[in-house]
This record gives sequence, structure tokens and C-alpha cells, in this order.
Amino acid sequence: GAGVSQTPSNKVTEKGKYVELRCDPISGHTALYWYRQSLGQGPEFLIYFQGTGAADDSGLPNDRFFAVRPEGSVSTLKIQRTERGDSAVYLCASSSGSPGTGELFFGEGSRLTVL
Amino acid sequence: DAKTTQPTSMDCAEGRAANLPCNHSTISGNEYVYWYRQIHSQGPQYIIHGLKNNETNEMASLIITEDRKSSTLILPHATLRDTAVYYCIVYDSWGKLQFGAGTQVVVTP
Repeated sequence: GAGVSQTPSNKVTEKGKYVELRCDPISGHTALYWYRQSLGQGPEFLIYFQGTGAADDSGLPNDRFFAVRPEGSVSTLKIQRTERGDSAVYLCASSSGSPGTGELFFGEGSRLTVL
Repeated sequence: DAKTTQPTSMDCAEGRAANLPCNHSTISGNEYVYWYRQIHSQGPQYIIHGLKNNETNEMASLIITEDRKSSTLILPHATLRDTAVYYCIVYDSWGKLQFGAGTQVVVTP
């Protein structure tokens, strides 16, 4: 498909476990974003990549959260020692990265439930 | 700090125009106004953006006041499929978009 793809769409895990969430951006998009959305709230920024490097990781809540984008395309959000409060929909978005563009293309999200 | 203020919710009759207000009184000269919407269980979708001038595309129109302290998103003929949360965002062209709580719009038959 031509859109942003996120896998898995649903993930149920137990408290304390490690989780990886994957994002395939639109081909050619250099900018990639991760957001987290809790029920009834707007998306909360986590981290932004320009190419392979994290340009802004100020939204990562603590050091249990980490994200990589080793080849400047696919990105993985990694959560260690999951807690019940990590339960949310994790959204990925990509954009062309052209200066000034705020037009992001979002995936459908990965719903994480920590029991 | 919230840069925009939107009503929590609003209803609109199908076929009528929906006018969604947004206040951004602290907007600075290089900041754009962006609108996104999020239909239930989907990711946010870009609608439109503007700096000073009014803008129109196939989805909506954006009216920005002359002092740029507020704007209105207009859905000209609302349909049931337009039921969604609508987010007004002030963006300075660098880095991240920051979403607020948005306006829940319900279009009724």
C-alpha cells in the first residue's frame, strides 16, 4: 500500500515485558514521527526523526522508551519493562521533510494493552 | 502550554455547513494554522493549513482573521462521515506538531 503501515495493530502484553512496535513510512519520506494517544485525549508527541537521526526526542516519557530508524526508513519504537500506564494507541506518521511542511501522514496506530 | 483553544464539542446537521472556531491569540508571525481531523479508530488526517490568507481545498475552507488571533474551519456540506475530532494546531515549521484535545463534531441526520 501507499500509506504508513504500523504493526502489530494490536498488542497485549504483561507488565514488565518488552515490546517493539514497527512503522513503515511512505516511501521517500525523510521525516518520521511517533505519537502516543490515550483514550479521550489528543495525540502526544514522543519523538521525531529526520533521516536516521532523532531530531527531537523530548517527548519520550522516560528511559524505558527508545526508538530507532537505522536506515532512514522503517522505525521501531521499543518499550522496556512495560507498565500498565503505557497502555495507549501508538501512532506513527511520516512527511516529506521539506522545510516548513506540517502535513503529516498517519498510520492507523498500534494499540498496546499492558495487563 | 496550549497554543489554541477550541470548543469541546459541537453538533451539526447533515447537509449544513459546519463552522469550527479556534482561538490562537498568542500566535507569532511565522506560525501557521493547521487543521487535522481524526475519525474514530483511525490516525489523524491532514485537512488544510494557512498563514494569513484564507484557503480552500476539496475538503474545507479556512478563514483566518486579519489579526490572526482566531480562525474558522468550514465544512461546506457536512456529511455523516465528517463526524470526527477536529484539531486546530499552531505550527512554526520546525519539528513537531502538538495536538490539543480538539473539538468532537457530531453530524446528525
